[in-house]
Amino acid sequence: QVQLVESGGGVVQPGRSLRLSCAASGFSFSSHGMHWVRQAPGKGLEWVAVIWYDGSNKYYPDSVKGRFTISRDNSKNTLYLQMNSLRADDTAVYYCARDLGGVAAAGTLGWFDPWGQGTLVTVSS
Amino acid sequence: EIVLTQSPATLSLSPGERATLSCRASQSVSSYLAWYQQKPGQAPRLLIYDASNRATGIPARFSGSGSGTDFTLTISSLEPEDFAVYYCQQRSNWPPVTFGQGTRLEIK
Repeated sequence: QVQLVESGGGVVQPGRSLRLSCAASGFSFSSHGMHWVRQAPGKGLEWVAVIWYDGSNKYYPDSVKGRFTISRDNSKNTLYLQMNSLRADDTAVYYCARDLGGVAAAGTLGWFDPWGQGTLVTVSS
Repeated sequence: EIVLTQSPATLSLSPGERATLSCRASQSVSSYLAWYQQKPGQAPRLLIYDASNRATGIPARFSGSGSGTDFTLTISSLEPEDFAVYYCQQRSNWPPVTFGQGTRLEIK
């Protein structure tokens, strides 16, 4: 079955960096775009980044652009999120999610299915 | 950025009743709208995409409708496991994608 397992969360001071990982299994990882979505404690969902199946395209919302970098290693079936210059408002559970589309389908669609269980990032001094 | 507004914020119903959740977009998103369910302590789950297509494994009691700016998620007969928070999401002219603020469906 499709499985996504995030890791790398923790407590970090403002201004510092952190790298999250998402290990994928149970599907052809190299055929799907992948996303990061976050959820601040008690709040709603915010899309953070997307990377195309082959890494050729990457997009971010303005809230993290220039600070966060999404990447992937298709040989290791792993997705990454490098987070720099962290701020208190980056505190959230970070989920990785597979894009519903795929190379064999209609490309990267912008729907999230399925999601990992999430990893908590707390930015605090 | 397209803003999605969900209503009501909280919906109180009993098992067996019909639930109707609304999502309104600040501008047309065509049919590029999805619905997700999130239970406490769990990740969201995709229910509906492209406004009316059920995702794999989603029961038939969940249905989506609408286009343009007004969308509805209907649960025809509530089961105990359906009480959760529901989010809508749009991907028109993405990126970015945006989410609504959520509707909490609680047991009456």
